Amino acid sequence: DTGVSQNPRHKITKRGQNVTFRCDPISEHNRLYWYRQTLGQGPEFLTYFQNEAQLEKSRLLSDRFSAERPKGSFSTLEIQRTEQGDSAMYLCASSLVGHDTNTEAFFGQGTRLTVV
Amino acid sequence: GENVEQHPSTLSVQEGDSAVIKCTYSDSASNYFPWYKQELGKRPQLIIDIRSNVGEKKDQRIAVTLNKTAKHFSLHITETQPEDSAVYFCAASIKGGGNKLTFGTGTQLKVEL
Repeated sequence: DTGVSQNPRHKITKRGQNVTFRCDPISEHNRLYWYRQTLGQGPEFLTYFQNEAQLEKSRLLSDRFSAERPKGSFSTLEIQRTEQGDSAMYLCASSLVGHDTNTEAFFGQGTRLTVV
Repeated sequence: GENVEQHPSTLSVQEGDSAVIKCTYSDSASNYFPWYKQELGKRPQLIIDIRSNVGEKKDQRIAVTLNKTAKHFSLHITETQPEDSAVYFCAASIKGGGNKLTFGTGTQLKVEL
């Protein structure tokens, strides 16, 4: 599968623990987005990267959340001191954006986080 | 920021009938409007999109219309089939605003035999 890949697919953690998710975008894509989706809702924007630079963070992204894309390739999303309200599907998407190019956003299959 | 509203939240149609899902957006600067289909437990997948310089776009049984003045856009599925059953999300984004997507709340479409 040459699409967007996310790991793990599922994560169950105890409240207060830290978790980290990984996203591998489509290789030539320079944009990488993180979204959160709760049951019965559409995905909500969290943050995005242009290559290795994090250009925007949503107000949804509290100080317990941090995202990195150190080499402009894969990205990680870390949640510290997890709370039950963090339980959701975390989706990653990537796209190629340039002067004359603006592709659709391709989504990964997501990481489903359950905080117990 | 942008706000996207989507209706209806659930839609049940008979196989072969048409289905229409409507969305409105708030930010007149939005210029890209994709529609995603999400089956249970799977990733959202783009089915059709439209840019603000176009009023209508069609791809086989799927069409999207855009009314910039009224700030609303609609998805039309004709000759529905059971495999069309899924949750459909509309979204809007602003080129130059990071292209981040603001999604509607989704429509659960059920195509009954």
